[in-house]
Amino acid sequence: QQQVKQSPQSLIVQKGGISIINCAYENTAFDYFPWYQQFPGKGPALLIAIRPDVSEKKEGRFTISFNKSAKQFSLHIMDSQPGDSATYFCAAIPSGAGSYQLTFGKGTKLSVIP
Amino acid sequence: DAGVTQSPTHLIKTRGQHVTLRCSPISGHKSVSWYQQVLGQGPQFIFQYYEKEERGRGNFPDRFSARQFPNYSSELNVNALLLGDSALYLCASSPPMRGRSGYTFGSGTRLTVV
Repeated sequence: QQQVKQSPQSLIVQKGGISIINCAYENTAFDYFPWYQQFPGKGPALLIAIRPDVSEKKEGRFTISFNKSAKQFSLHIMDSQPGDSATYFCAAIPSGAGSYQLTFGKGTKLSVIP
Repeated sequence: DAGVTQSPTHLIKTRGQHVTLRCSPISGHKSVSWYQQVLGQGPQFIFQYYEKEERGRGNFPDRFSARQFPNYSSELNVNALLLGDSALYLCASSPPMRGRSGYTFGSGTRLTVV
């Protein structure tokens, strides 16, 4: 049972364009939603994170939008650059029991072409 | 400062063998988590240890075990290896107070079972 569904599986964006990755969850106990960026041969690195009491969080070119009622959240990468080419994972952590356990989506492979 | 270090970086084992993977957390981090990342998928939670005690276990068979040492380093052991155990094994550490918002991943150990 996949608790965090991520789409698309892959994404090709022109340099300077906007990359959008979507995630949906079912477990209402989730209350912390980080995004990770992973380059080949490396472990995931925390990019940005949001809590459900906030509808949007922006850090530089990266923005998370959060829709609590729809149980959906998305990552927007503005002015996408070739250096952004990587695999992106959304994740979720519950409050209470299991509050240490990250549940990841399946990932989106982003390619930014010049 | 050194990040999370994992050893070895690559490993090839034969079906039925046993393997031990090692992780050294960031200095001052007392929590270590292990994740399995199969090619093309998001990481899946295996274990978390905090202050040398198992805090949680994911949905993995008993062939998987782990422990944490007094210096907070950790070992992941897998017995009776199967072809399906081939994956990138990731270790993550987090500091005492930041908990789930402070996970830092190592670059992983790539295990190939033949």
